[in-house]
Amino acid sequence: TQLLEQSPQFLSIQEGENLTVYCNSSSVFSSLQWYRQEPGEGPVLLVTVVTGGEVKKLKRLTFQFGDARKDSSLHITAAQPGDTGLYLCAGVNFGNEKLTFGTGTRLTIIP
Amino acid sequence: DAGVIQSPRHEVTEMGQEVTLRCKPISGHNSLFWYRQTMMRGLELLIYFNNNVPIDDSGMPEDRFSAKMPNASFSTLKIQPSEPRDSAVYFCASSTTGMKETQYFGPGTRLLVL
Repeated sequence: TQLLEQSPQFLSIQEGENLTVYCNSSSVFSSLQWYRQEPGEGPVLLVTVVTGGEVKKLKRLTFQFGDARKDSSLHITAAQPGDTGLYLCAGVNFGNEKLTFGTGTRLTIIP
Repeated sequence: DAGVIQSPRHEVTEMGQEVTLRCKPISGHNSLFWYRQTMMRGLELLIYFNNNVPIDDSGMPEDRFSAKMPNASFSTLKIQPSEPRDSAVYFCASSTTGMKETQYFGPGTRLLVL
C-alpha cells in the first residue's frame, strides 16, 4: 500500500503569516493533486502537478512537485482566514490511476 | 450548475440495520466514485464505476458493502448489516471519464452506527 504522509498534521497561524505544508511518500506517482476540504463539504481540487520539479502558482498558493515525484509541498503566502481548511494531497498511481490520499493537514488561520 | 448530490446528508442508525446512501453524479460525467473518510484511515476509495459498470471494487471492505449504478444519473451504496465501525463520512464523486480527470465531490453523508 502506498502511503502519503502529510506534515504538519495541524497548523494554526496568524493572518498574514507564511506557511508550508508537506506531502511525502516512498513511492513514485505519475502526478499529484492538492485538495482543500471545508467542514461539511467534500474535497475540492486546487491543482495537479505532473512533471518532476514542476511549480504551479494559484494566487497566494505555490505548489511544487519533487524532482523524484515522491513528494510535494504547498506554500501559502500572507495567509488569510479564508485559507482555513483541511488540505489533502493525493498521488495518482501509475497504471490504474487510482488516487492515494494523504493523511491531511488541518490549517487554521487566526484573524 | 448542480454539483454531485448526495442523500441523506446525515444518517444515524442502530447496529444491524440496513443503510442505503444515494448519489446523483454531475450530468454528462461517465465515471462515479464512492469514498469513505475517517479520522484513522483518511479518505479511501471504495468502488469506481465507468459508464455504469463497476471497474474496481477492491476497496470495498467486506461483503456487507455493495454498490450499484442502475443508470448514468444514480448510484447507491448499501451496508447490510451495518456495524459501529462503519461510522464515517461517505463521499460520492464524479468525473468526465476516468480516475485521472478532475473528480468533483459531493457534500458527503455522515453516517453514525450506534
